[in-house]
Amino acid sequence: AQRVTQPEKLLSVFKGAPVELKCNYSYSGSPELFWYVQYSRQRLQLLLRHISRESIKGFTADLNKGETSFHLKKPFAQEEDSAMYYCALRGGGGGSNYKLTFGKGTLLTVNP
Amino acid sequence: NAGVTQTPKFQVLKTGQSMTLQCAQDMNHEYMSWYRQDPGMGLRLIHYSVGAGITDQGEVPNGYNVSRSTTEDFPLRLLSAAPSQTSVYFCASSLSGYGIYEQYFGPGTRLTVT
Repeated sequence: AQRVTQPEKLLSVFKGAPVELKCNYSYSGSPELFWYVQYSRQRLQLLLRHISRESIKGFTADLNKGETSFHLKKPFAQEEDSAMYYCALRGGGGGSNYKLTFGKGTLLTVNP
Repeated sequence: NAGVTQTPKFQVLKTGQSMTLQCAQDMNHEYMSWYRQDPGMGLRLIHYSVGAGITDQGEVPNGYNVSRSTTEDFPLRLLSAAPSQTSVYFCASSLSGYGIYEQYFGPGTRLTVT
């Protein structure tokens, strides 16, 4: 079974401070990993995916297969980064290839 | 493109009532899915579809039915509403159910069952 764990429900930082949102996963094969973000009163939207190895809005995430982690990082947090962040995994054999499993989310608050 | 649309935005039901949550997309996406979002639980997959005429169960399918007669529409039916189904429901679609494809989400339906 595939599982995604986000150990922090809430994370509060000050503007300009580094931020790291943790994500650990359990999956036996090669996972596809994503970060989705939900800003206040907006739709859930893709932030980034591991295969793209991209930086979006200053955020990066590196897949560490040894530690089964996909932590989201930003060196200098901004107030507009305040949102709910979800880590998600897709993978598996057969029918479970189609299932995107989400973590429980981390609510990030960036204080001025 | 309207993207993914959901109706209604809000709904209050009494225990035992039935209703259908509507979801439509205009992006010609093969894959569509329904999630529920509950505080502290994240998003949990209810049902999904990999194409017209093909549906399958997700993590929490009990009490819900789906069908996919067209590529565009993927309604979610609550057969006999229960208070435990009070939640925010999101529909999503993607080009394919495989791999790296981004899921596009609708605005959500907030359902309260009394």
